[in-house]
Amino acid sequence: AQSVTQLGSHVSVSEGALVLLRCNYSSSVPPYLFWYVQYPNQGLQLLLKYTTGATLVKGINGFEAEFKKSETSFHLTKPSAHMSDAAEYFCAVSGVFTGTASKLTFGTGTRLQVTL
Amino acid sequence: DGGITQSPKYLFRKEGQNVTLSCEQNLNHDAMYWYRQDPGQGLRLIYYSQIVNDFQKGDIAEGYSVSREKKESFPLTVTSAQKNPTAFYLCASSIDRQTRGYTFGSGTRLTVV
Repeated sequence: AQSVTQLGSHVSVSEGALVLLRCNYSSSVPPYLFWYVQYPNQGLQLLLKYTTGATLVKGINGFEAEFKKSETSFHLTKPSAHMSDAAEYFCAVSGVFTGTASKLTFGTGTRLQVTL
Repeated sequence: DGGITQSPKYLFRKEGQNVTLSCEQNLNHDAMYWYRQDPGQGLRLIYYSQIVNDFQKGDIAEGYSVSREKKESFPLTVTSAQKNPTAFYLCASSIDRQTRGYTFGSGTRLTVV
């Protein structure tokens, strides 16, 4: 079984400051990990993903995340926040289905606020 | 451009009525999914389908039904048996089992009036 814990339902940073959104996972199989972003009343957009290989993953809009197996973490970072980064962010871990489907288990989300 | 289209964007339902949410994709993806989103609860899986004429229950299937008569379409019916249907509903699809994640539609917000 898989589960995801996102620490902090709300995070506020100043424009230009470091963004750090925390994600810890539990998985009975080697995990595939994802970060999605959601703007109000919209669907989710993939920011980045870890499948295999390099543990530091770079995504869109200057975000990156590092897979740390020993800590079961996949924290999302961005060196300098921009007002347009204000949104809700979801961490997800992929489970295993038979056939073509892939179950994603999502965390409860972290709402990022960016202030001037 | 390929993508997933959900309609309508906003839907109002009277208590005791069934309503159907549309989800269409032109990505040629085999697998499709329905998630429900409530504030503070993340996304919860309602149903998923791996192939035409096949679908499986997710974690919160009670009060919902689906069909998959065409590869492109995966409509969700919210029945009168669903006790708390007010939520944001998201449809997604995936091309393979794990590596690429999901492509999401823009969602339907259902409100019971």
